[in-house]
Amino acid sequence: AQKITQTQPGMFVQEKEAVTLDCTYDTSDQSYGLFWYKQPSSGEMIFLIYQGSYDEQNATEGRYSLNFQKARKSANLVISASQLGDSAMYFCAMRALTQGGSEKLVFGKGTKLTVNP
Amino acid sequence: ETGVTQTPRHLVMGMTNKKSLKCEQHLGHNAMYWYKQSAKKPLELMFVYNFKEQTENNSVPSRFSPECPNSSHLFLHLHTLQPEDSALYLCASSQDSGGSKNIQYFGAGTRLSVL
Repeated sequence: AQKITQTQPGMFVQEKEAVTLDCTYDTSDQSYGLFWYKQPSSGEMIFLIYQGSYDEQNATEGRYSLNFQKARKSANLVISASQLGDSAMYFCAMRALTQGGSEKLVFGKGTKLTVNP
Repeated sequence: ETGVTQTPRHLVMGMTNKKSLKCEQHLGHNAMYWYKQSAKKPLELMFVYNFKEQTENNSVPSRFSPECPNSSHLFLHLHTLQPEDSALYLCASSQDSGGSKNIQYFGAGTRLSVL
């Protein structure tokens, strides 16, 4: 079964600095996908970035980049030039298949990021 | 993307009430999902619909009854709930129910309190 582990319950960063949020995963699948979502206090789960297991390059989306280390089974999120609006919960997720063959996301417990002015 | 709308945003109900949660997506997607987010627990998948057909029920108690009249709308009918059902219920949609980069887009959720 797939499993996502986020070991940092909370992280603090100064505005304009970079921060890395850790994510490790466990799967026996050869082909898989990894996602990062942001959840502000309003509740909406906002998609940030995707990394496929066969993608040769690390994914980047604006200030977000994914440090994908396949051998270590890690998919850390790097946020550059942090902004106050980045304060939120961040979830790492992996695509998995249900017993019925449908697709689902398996989520970690999340990391609460606080950006200080 | 803010193409997934959930109503109501907040709901308080007694254990004997019947209520419904509504989800609407404006993204032209074919798959829709219900997830439950309880305090201190990871998100859990509840149901999956693909082209209006239910393709997954993750052992959800029958007091939760989903309905998908078309690919744009998804409902979750609630009856005789328990206090432990209090949680944030998130709806998501994706292009389909499979694929290498099948991104699920979420709504803002309905925060449910069962008294």
